[in-house]
Amino acid sequence: DIQMTQSPSSLSASVGDRVTITCQASQDISNFLNWYQQKPGKAPKLLIYDASNLQTGVPSRFSGSGSGTDFTFTISSLQPEDVATYYCQHYDDLLPYTFGQGTNLEIK
Amino acid sequence: QVQLQESGPSLVKPSQTLTLTCTVSGGSIKGSKEYWTWIRQPAGKGLEWIGRIYTSGITNYNPSLKSRVTISLDTSKNEFSLKLSSVTAADTAVYYCARGYREFGPWGQGTLVTVSS
Repeated sequence: DIQMTQSPSSLSASVGDRVTITCQASQDISNFLNWYQQKPGKAPKLLIYDASNLQTGVPSRFSGSGSGTDFTFTISSLQPEDVATYYCQHYDDLLPYTFGQGTNLEIK
Repeated sequence: QVQLQESGPSLVKPSQTLTLTCTVSGGSIKGSKEYWTWIRQPAGKGLEWIGRIYTSGITNYNPSLKSRVTISLDTSKNEFSLKLSSVTAADTAVYYCARGYREFGPWGQGTLVTVSS
């Protein structure tokens, strides 16, 4: 299986801060990467697909970049409603699709 | 817009078969040319892709679960199902259904299944 390693595992930041989460794949996955947001007690929600494309309806403060093995997810200006756990997920042809372990984002 | 809803027993005994159904509303599975997926999440842990089914009936499964998993479609009821056999406590999780081949959305709200005697 392709291993997806996210860092940090938890993060505390202030409203208005720029927040960055990284995701590293155990092998080259090109741009085959998605990012999800999961709020407590809710299902995950797709934010970014193909590493850098913003899903329709998702605020533009969210962005993604990277290719190969190293990827970054950024919130340009943290809002209170962004408190959630964020997951990366690869979709390389080599099944199974796997997720990172998650980054728990809190407001300071 | 398409909505998904999981249903099934919340408690399953060890060694038995877990069966869940995902009912799709707001759109027809038949002829949709979509993939329909199951994902699970143990309490306080990350997400695990279980498998998917295409509208033609073609399936793909997580190799770690393949010997125990069956995903099927019932287009007459506009639903798809998950069967997981020989369950143990390690299969206790919130189970989600979702639409998608490689990116997933929308998702159902999830249903907690506990494996316990």
